[in-house]
Formats: sequence, C-alpha cells, structure tokens
Amino acid sequence: DAGVIQSPRHEVTEMGQEVTLRCKPISGHDYLFWYRQTMMRGLELLIYFNNNVPIDDSGMPEDRFSAKMPNASFSTLKIQPSEPRDSAVYFCASKPDGSKTQYFGPGTRLLVL
Amino acid sequence: GENVGLHLPTLSVQEGDNSIINCAYSNSASDYFIWYKQESGKGPQFIIDIRSNMDKRQGQRVTVLLNKTVKHLSLQIAATQPGDSAVYFCAEKMYSGGGADGLTFGKGTHLIIQP
Repeated sequence: DAGVIQSPRHEVTEMGQEVTLRCKPISGHDYLFWYRQTMMRGLELLIYFNNNVPIDDSGMPEDRFSAKMPNASFSTLKIQPSEPRDSAVYFCASKPDGSKTQYFGPGTRLLVL
Repeated sequence: GENVGLHLPTLSVQEGDNSIINCAYSNSASDYFIWYKQESGKGPQFIIDIRSNMDKRQGQRVTVLLNKTVKHLSLQIAATQPGDSAVYFCAEKMYSGGGADGLTFGKGTHLIIQP
C-alpha cells in the first residue's frame, strides 16, 4: 500500500517567492497533519485537518502560511512570501479515525535563499 | 510552557548491546505516548506506544517504560543492530485549542550503533 505521498521532495527558492507543498494522505485516513522540522525547534505541529476541515491551526507561524484540504486525498501548505527562516523539512502525516498513530510522509526539504 | 524533552542528544552503543533512550515530560495530563524512529532523509516511523494507565509495553526487541511518578519515559532496544541507527523521538498526545489530536515531539536522540 502507498504511504503518505509528498511533493516536491526538495524545493529551492528565493526569498519572496511563493512556495506550495503538496500532500496525499493514506486512503481512508480522516486526519491530516502538517509538521515542520528544524534543528533548533525539532518537530512542530503547524495545523491539522479532520474530514477536510481545519481543526487547529495554532501552530501556523504567521499569516504568510496557509493550508487547504479541498478533498480527502489532497492537501497543500503554502508560504507566501517565503523567507530564509522558513527553510526546514515539512512533513505531512495522516491517521484514521479512532487511532492515535500518525503515519508520516517522506517530507519536503525547503531551502529559501 | 509544558513540553517533552530528552536527556541525551547522542547515544553510542556497540552492536549487539542493549540501548536505553530516555525522555522526560512535564504535562501530567498527557495520556498517551509514542516513540518514533527517524532515519536520515526519511519521515518519522512509528515504533511503539503506551497509554498512561500502563507502566510497560513490549514489542519486537523494543520495550517502553513509563514512570508517571517522575514523568519519565524510556525506550529499550535489545540486541541493537546497524539498522537501529537513527534519531528517536518521544511524543505525547497534546491538547491544543479545540482539537486533541496533535502530538508534541521531543528534540530527539541520535542513536549510533558501532560495529
């Protein structure tokens, strides 16, 4: 079975550009999570969705970050405009309802120059 | 604020030895804890979990111990193998805002298996 799919795997962009990260959760999973990982702060929850509805976005660092889930099989995390301090690995994870175990994708490594 | 943290950032053990990775947490309201393994260039992978009403749980070559009195969690890996080299994270179930399904992760411990 395919796990969580993320694209692109690597992204290099210049400061001020818009960045869009994509995620396809595991089929049948009702929850989708976006995390950011840096050396300084470790893994941080940014936002999560339940049945395509955003439940908690308190981890989103600022208005430059936005996330959407238009359907059960697709979510995006957008940064506009991007800044060098946004450089990190962004992970998407999903889980089925009733389970506490989250399944992570391979991550998108973002570098903002 | 309340958080989950790790005692040791790096742990080096000989292949075949047992390893113990420790984690301290401060949120006494947390009721569920998970250990994840993250290999280089990959996402975290679930290893084992434990509920707060348990003290010990065993898996294949791994054991998680929970001491609620001192808010301490440990992961024991028996007979370590080269494939066990990775960063290990503990995580607790977090209650945040209107939701209750996010996880708070510790900083991670890098386990190095020496041949």
